[in-house]
Parts: sequence; C-alpha cells; structure tokens
Amino acid sequence: DAMVIQNPRYQVTQFGKPVTLSCSQTLNHNVMYWYQQKSSQAPKLLFHYYDKDFNNEADTPDNFQSRRPNTSFCFLDIRSPGLGDAAMYLCATSRAQGSQPQHFGDGTRLSIL
Amino acid sequence: DAKTTQPPSMDCAEGRAANLPCNHSTISGNEYVYWYRQIHSQGPQYIIHGLKNNETNEMASLIITEDRKSSTLILPHATLRDTAVYYCIVRVFYSGGGADGLTFGKGTHLIIQP
Repeated sequence: DAMVIQNPRYQVTQFGKPVTLSCSQTLNHNVMYWYQQKSSQAPKLLFHYYDKDFNNEADTPDNFQSRRPNTSFCFLDIRSPGLGDAAMYLCATSRAQGSQPQHFGDGTRLSIL
Repeated sequence: DAKTTQPPSMDCAEGRAANLPCNHSTISGNEYVYWYRQIHSQGPQYIIHGLKNNETNEMASLIITEDRKSSTLILPHATLRDTAVYYCIVRVFYSGGGADGLTFGKGTHLIIQP
C-alpha cells in the first residue's frame, strides 16, 4: 500500500548520459517535491510542482529538470550527470493546505560510472 | 524558515522513553515545528507536528515550550526499530495553503540499545 512510489530503487548511469527518475503517488496530492540527499548529508530541496506550476530552488543546477504530466506522476531529468550527482533522490508529496505534512517515497539511489 | 539545533547523537535503552530535544529560538509566530525520521536507506517518515500546544499521536508526543523556542519529541517506549536520524524542522504556515519545501538540518542520530 505504498503511497509515494519511486522507481527504480537503484539506478546506474554513465557519466554524461541522460537519466530520468520517476515518482508516482496514490494520494492525489497537488504538490510534488524532489530532494537530493548525498551520502551522510541531509536531504536538500531541488524543486517542486504546485499543481502544474514549477518552482525551482535558486541553487539547483540547470542540469536538473522536472516534468509533471499529470497529478499522479513526476519525473526528474538529469541532462548530463556528473560524478557529483551520485546521490539518493527523494520524491515527496503534500496537500497545499495549512500545515499538511509531506509524505516521502523511499528514494532512488543513483550511481554514476 | 527558522534554524533548528539538535544534538548530533543520542543513545536510549530499549523499552525506555526517548526524549529528543530541539532548539528553535528564532521561530516566528507563523511557523510550525515538524518532526521526521529517516531509517537507513529509506525516505524520511513524518512523525508529528505542532504550533504551540502539545501534540500526541500513535507514534510520539511533541512538547513545545511556552515561549516556543524549543521542543522535545518523546518516543514513549523505544524499540530497536526506532534507531534512525530524527529531524526537527521549522516551516512557515500559510493559512491559504502553501507548498514550501522542508529545510533539513543535520538531525539527531538516535541509537536504541538492547
């Protein structure tokens, strides 16, 4: 009964080869977030979608982009992955109402060869 | 969002109450306190949140001081499965609805000892 599903759990790509990570949700939440978590560090917000509106964090590299084709799905695209992009990528969702908490998936661990 | 300060690590004996402190001395009137935890190789898990009153749910209790400058998360009967990194996060509340992300600090690594 997972509510925020990230596939795959582990992804390996080559240096410079584009990669897409996916996230789906069964909660019908209108906000979806992507976080990056490097080894032994805390998660860091990359961007979020509020319905169809995309909101990028100021320090998110241009190499990272996102798509949200419908309410249930959101994708993270890394155009030209570098070795420094190896990390766990976490997707989260929430309702944009009051103090509603965010619900996280279990992440995709990305390795760069 | 206001910054939080937590001890880097804590130990607790299994079966005892685990009390995790958090300092948020610069918190504003429109900011909530949230607690999440992250078990190794999993995504963060929401535990509880509050504004100024103490809160309790099936997982934990949250005690917020009257001046709101600090809080304590209480796990009443810790088990080995409660070993995790616990994050205390302060986030602005928008009465009309909002979508701000979470700013994670370094958290507290809670180790439950058998």
